[in-house]
Amino acid sequence: NAGVMQNPRHLVRRRGQEARLRCSPMKGHSHVYWYRQLPEEGLKFMVYLQKENIIDESGMPKERFSAEFPKEGPSILRIQQVVRGDSAAYFCASSPGGTTIRELFFGEGSRLTVL
Amino acid sequence: GQSLEQPSEVTAVEGAIVQINCTYQTSGFYGLSWYQQHDGGAPTFLSYNALDGLEETGRFSSFLSRSDSYGYLLLQELQMKDSASYFCAAYKAAGNKLTFGGGTRVLVKP
Repeated sequence: NAGVMQNPRHLVRRRGQEARLRCSPMKGHSHVYWYRQLPEEGLKFMVYLQKENIIDESGMPKERFSAEFPKEGPSILRIQQVVRGDSAAYFCASSPGGTTIRELFFGEGSRLTVL
Repeated sequence: GQSLEQPSEVTAVEGAIVQINCTYQTSGFYGLSWYQQHDGGAPTFLSYNALDGLEETGRFSSFLSRSDSYGYLLLQELQMKDSASYFCAAYKAAGNKLTFGGGTRVLVKP
């Protein structure tokens, strides 16, 4: 029973390029969350999505960042024109939804390095 | 806004007991979770408290006091494999979102 799958695990980009991070939630989960983690820091909420809907994007930078969770396929976090400050680990988590999130299931993360 | 405060680092020896405190200021607070993260790994769920009191799961226990906006994670009979970062996270019902604290790095020494 596969857990949350993220790819790529490691991604290197030069400044100005685009980064695309993918997340397949656990089977049966319809809610996806993206978090960003800088070294030695906590997890910062970015965006919460359900299938074909963005529920809460209050943690997303206003420019260059976008996220989607299409009806078919993985959720994608897209960062355009990357800058060095975007270097971080990006974690995806999923939950089955419902009225209370007792537990989020995290993927292993995608580590973005911007040169 | 929402904020959670926890100590940055704790060091203890094998077999000892460690308590990691977490204070929170969260509007619409619903419950407090704890997650463990080893270096380079994924955060993994440890416990969840929605009601006041102590929840025990093996060597780990978690406590919540809603009136004090305070909780803690208790790690007993520490083992080397418990060396990791531990995060408290507040669940806000409106918006179905978890907000994480900055994490406490626990270092277990022989």
